[in-house]
Amino acid sequence: SAVISQKPSRDICQRGTSLTIQCQVDSQVTMMFWYRQQPGQSLTLIATANQGSEATYESGFVIDKFPISRPNLTFSTLTVSNMSPEDSSIYLCSVTSGGPIDTQYFGPGTRLTVL
Amino acid sequence: GQQLNQSPQSMFIQEGEDVSMNCTSSSIFNTWLWYKQDPGEGPVLLIALYKAGELTSNGRLTAQFGITRKDSFLNISASIPSDVGIYFCAGQLNHNRKLIWGLGTSLAVNP
Repeated sequence: SAVISQKPSRDICQRGTSLTIQCQVDSQVTMMFWYRQQPGQSLTLIATANQGSEATYESGFVIDKFPISRPNLTFSTLTVSNMSPEDSSIYLCSVTSGGPIDTQYFGPGTRLTVL
Repeated sequence: GQQLNQSPQSMFIQEGEDVSMNCTSSSIFNTWLWYKQDPGEGPVLLIALYKAGELTSNGRLTAQFGITRKDSFLNISASIPSDVGIYFCAGQLNHNRKLIWGLGTSLAVNP
C-alpha cells in the first residue's frame, strides 16, 4: 500500500482565514480524494482530485470554498477558505492505485480547529 | 448523502471476548471494505472483500461479503486492549470508486 503524509497534522486558525493542506504520496497513484470527518462522525467525501484538471466536487461542496490542486500523480492540496467554526474537522486525503481491484488508503489526517 | 446501516453503534466488552459487527445496505455493492480508526489517526484498511460470499481473515479478524451483496460482517476473536477504536464499513461502487460509509462502531475493551 502507498505511504501517505499530510501537512500540517493539526492547526488552530482564526475565523475568516484560509488554510492549505498538503497530501504527499510515496508512489504514483491513480485517484486522490479529500474527505472531511466532523467530530464523532463518519467520513464525508468532499471531492476527487483530478490530475491536470479541475476537481470533481460532491453535492454540498464548492470550489470557491474548497479549492483543490493536483499538479502530478503524487501530490495534492486542499484549501479551506474563509473559515468558520463549522469548518472544524479532520480533513483526510486518500488514494487508490487503480487497476481492476482498487482499495482506498488514507493519510493520517489534518485536525483543524477554527476559533 | 447515502450511508450504510452499521450496528452496533458501540460496544463495551471484556478482554478475550469475541466481537461481531455488521453493515447492511439497500443497494448492491461490488466491494466491501472494513477500516479501523484510532484517535487522531486516519482510517486503516483491515480487510477488503471483492466477491459475494467471500470469507476473508486477517489474523484475529474475519469478514464476509454477503451473498446478496447488500451486507457484510466483521468478527474479532479473542479481543485485546489494542482493538479499541472505531470500526467503519464502506461499500464501493466500481463504476466511480466512491466509497459509501457506515457511521462506525465504537469498540471499548476492558482489560
